[in-house]
Amino acid sequence: QSALTQPASVSGSPGQSITISCTGTSSDVGGYNYVSWYQQHPGKAPKLMIYDVSNRPSGVSNRFSGSKSGNTASLTISGLQAEDEADYYCSSYTSSSTYNYVFGTGTKVTVL
Amino acid sequence: EVQLVQSGAEVKKPGESLKISCKGSGYSFTSYWIGWVRQMPGKGLEWMGIIYPGDSDTRYSPSFQGQVTISADKSISTAYLQWSSLKASDTAMYYCARQYCTNGVCYTVDYWGQGTLVTVSS
Repeated sequence: QSALTQPASVSGSPGQSITISCTGTSSDVGGYNYVSWYQQHPGKAPKLMIYDVSNRPSGVSNRFSGSKSGNTASLTISGLQAEDEADYYCSSYTSSSTYNYVFGTGTKVTVL
Repeated sequence: EVQLVQSGAEVKKPGESLKISCKGSGYSFTSYWIGWVRQMPGKGLEWMGIIYPGDSDTRYSPSFQGQVTISADKSISTAYLQWSSLKASDTAMYYCARQYCTNGVCYTVDYWGQGTLVTVSS
């Protein structure tokens, strides 16, 4: 099964907003509202930032928001901060088979 | 507090077998699926498969079917990932994670273990 497609890198200055895209197909991103986003700092385990396209778990800053249009989901980070520099991965259920799941290729966010 | 605590780093030779573990606490271990995720050096996350400790129902990603075995012992709230014959290409960080799945659909992964680094080298 193929990974969801993300840009390799995105950068922005402190205070700016950036958006990371996650492109799939109608069998995953486009067909279900089960897109999640994870943040991973170097040497650390991933952390859930967004689930079910646009929901934030308790404790996650409201500077992080998610959306979806067709087969593409997006994560927006507003008011970019130095601590946001990390790798970000999207994920989704995929109907290619039951109980199947797929991650995106990952995006390195750099705060300039 | 939900916690997933994984076993320590391993260094193995090609052809050797290995079983790593993931112990859950702070929640009902038998009520949530546990998944395994591979991250090769400098690469992205890859979903390997999941197990439901309540009845040991196990599902694999097509990419990992036949390459690894996922199991669980609900009496000690522990899930396992094992290899019968390691290859150098199995060198990676492996994470366990709690995942929501129901009626054939898997949703989000909400809690992650700290990772177990497996190094396979002659």
